[in-house]
Amino acid sequence: DQQVKQNSPSLSVQEGRISILNCDYTNSMFDYFLWYKKYPAEGPTFLISISSIKDKNEDGRFTVFLNKSAKHLSLHIVPSQPGDSAVYFCAASLTGANSKLTFGKGITLSVRP
Amino acid sequence: NAGVTQTPKFRILKIGQSMTLQCTQDMNHNYMYWYRQDPGMGLKLIYYSVGAGITDKGEVPNGYNVSRSTTEDFPLRLELAAPSQTSVYFCASSPLGYEQYFGPGTRLTVT
Repeated sequence: DQQVKQNSPSLSVQEGRISILNCDYTNSMFDYFLWYKKYPAEGPTFLISISSIKDKNEDGRFTVFLNKSAKHLSLHIVPSQPGDSAVYFCAASLTGANSKLTFGKGITLSVRP
Repeated sequence: NAGVTQTPKFRILKIGQSMTLQCTQDMNHNYMYWYRQDPGMGLKLIYYSVGAGITDKGEVPNGYNVSRSTTEDFPLRLELAAPSQTSVYFCASSPLGYEQYFGPGTRLTVT
């Protein structure tokens, strides 16, 4: 049973435009959400996170939105740059679970120059 | 700071062989994790540790063992390697949980 779903395997956008990466989850007990970015042959790197008590968190070009009623979160990258081309993983955790993360399958983002 | 280091980077094992994947972090983090990533899939948690001497199973622990004798090291042991263990293995650490810092990974092939 996949508790964190990233249903679109890939996304291609033009440089300078907005990239919107979506993630859905099924476990309503999740209370902390993270996005990781991964380049080929490297480990994932932490990008941005959001607690369930918020509905938006912003860090530079990256903004994460959380819709708890829809069990949906999204990562907005604006403006998109070619260096943003990577695999993006959505992850979720719940308090008291020793911060174990449940990951989605990832979305491959390609930013065209 | 080297962060999280993993050795080896690549390894080919024959079915039935054993090996240890090494993981070391120099950030004095209490939490450490082992994940595997199969092609087209997300990361799945194998084992984790919340401090030296304390380990617990994750989602896919079968066929693996871990130990945590020091804060810095968290080796993953594969006994009797099977083709199903062909994967990329990532070690991660975290100071308080949630935001985890990952190593570069070990690509393992079992034939």
